[in-house]
Amino acid sequence: AQSVTQPDIHITVSEGASLELRCNYSYGATPYLFWYVQSPGQGLQLLLKYFSGDTLVQGIKGFEAEFKRSQSSFNLRKPSVHWSDAAEYFCAVGAKTSYDKVIFGPGTSLSVIP
Amino acid sequence: NAGVTQTPKFRVLKTGQSMTLLCAQDMNHEYMYWYRQDPGMGLRLIHYSVGEGTTAKGEVPDGYNVSRLKKQNFLLGLESAAPSQTSVYFCASSYSLRTSGSYEQYFGPGTRLTVT
Repeated sequence: AQSVTQPDIHITVSEGASLELRCNYSYGATPYLFWYVQSPGQGLQLLLKYFSGDTLVQGIKGFEAEFKRSQSSFNLRKPSVHWSDAAEYFCAVGAKTSYDKVIFGPGTSLSVIP
Repeated sequence: NAGVTQTPKFRVLKTGQSMTLLCAQDMNHEYMYWYRQDPGMGLRLIHYSVGEGTTAKGEVPDGYNVSRLKKQNFLLGLESAAPSQTSVYFCASSYSLRTSGSYEQYFGPGTRLTVT
């Protein structure tokens, strides 16, 4: 069965510092991987996705993620964090079943210190 | 395009009351989903639909019913609300991987439901 873990419940970084959010997944086949962001009081918005090909994926808002099959990881990175990046971040893994099933991780809450 | 809209945004119910949450999308997506979001648990799938007139159970379907009479609408019903259903409910929609080659989900803004 699919599963997603995000080891960090909450992370605090200073504005301008680099960021890495960790995501590990469990899935028996090639996964489809996603990162979503949720700003306070809002729905989720897709940051980036990996389906196949280049393992380094670029997304919106300056984010990127790298798929590492050997480590079953899909970590999200940003070189310089902005105060507006404070939000909840969800990693998700998808599989082709009877429908396009997606399992979400528990989320990592990001705080940014000015 | 409005994307995915949800009504209402907030609701307070007493135990045993019923209500319906409405989700609408204007992107012609085949698939629609209802999730609930609880602290520390991410999003859990309640029910989903792969097309007009079809629905199926997700991970946590008990106490909920759904209907998809029109492609653009997906209704979530609570027949007899319980305090354990206090949560934030999100609707999402997507194309299917088979037809579009991609299936990222588009989310509504959520409905915050409190059952007392």
